[in-house]
Amino acid sequence: GQQVMQIPQYQHVQEGEDFTTYCNSSTTLSNIQWYKQRPGGHPVFLIQLVKSGEVKKQKRLTFQFGEAKKNSSLHITATQTTDVGTYFCAGQGNFNKFYFGSGTKLNVKP
Amino acid sequence: KAGVTQTPRYLIKTRGQQVTLSCSPISGHRSVSWYQQTPGQGLQFLFEYFSETQRNKGNFPGRFSGRQFSNSRSEMNVSTLELGDSALYLCASSVGQGVGTDTQYFGPGTRLTVL
Repeated sequence: GQQVMQIPQYQHVQEGEDFTTYCNSSTTLSNIQWYKQRPGGHPVFLIQLVKSGEVKKQKRLTFQFGEAKKNSSLHITATQTTDVGTYFCAGQGNFNKFYFGSGTKLNVKP
Repeated sequence: KAGVTQTPRYLIKTRGQQVTLSCSPISGHRSVSWYQQTPGQGLQFLFEYFSETQRNKGNFPGRFSGRQFSNSRSEMNVSTLELGDSALYLCASSVGQGVGTDTQYFGPGTRLTVL
């Protein structure tokens, strides 16, 4: 069945370092969404990408959607302790099925 | 606007029992989706309701069911509970264009423990 995989599963960085998480789908996605979940919290919507090759920025966060609409990435420049949490991608694939990625847990050391 | 509310926040049940969880969406939102979150399986989509009809469904057994009322509030029911049903159950509301299209606003979740 369709799966949306994310790598890495965990990432530990020093404050100020960059961070990237990658999302890969086995099939084409109609769009991709990104969410952040703080420890003990619930997922919070960050952004949605729809077009092939689309790039969007939110301050230090850069989101990309692949040309084939099968992969996406989230890049954080100069991480801060407030970036700690788990980042999930989510996409809609075949038969309108909606899948969340496995998530990347980010820890930022001050 | 008030956010998505879920009740109860915590629940302890025993195997074989059934449970009903409730979700009140953001005012004006017509779509409610349900998710199961576990450390091992991550976030998994259960189903989506829109205008009192199930519009989308994940890959969960028939023990998991839901419904939506005319005021868009939704309930989720799990019958014949199993140990593996222990999880955080999240609901999310959106305007109504579709679970993969709308921005989804998540509630705080109901933590279900099955003993």
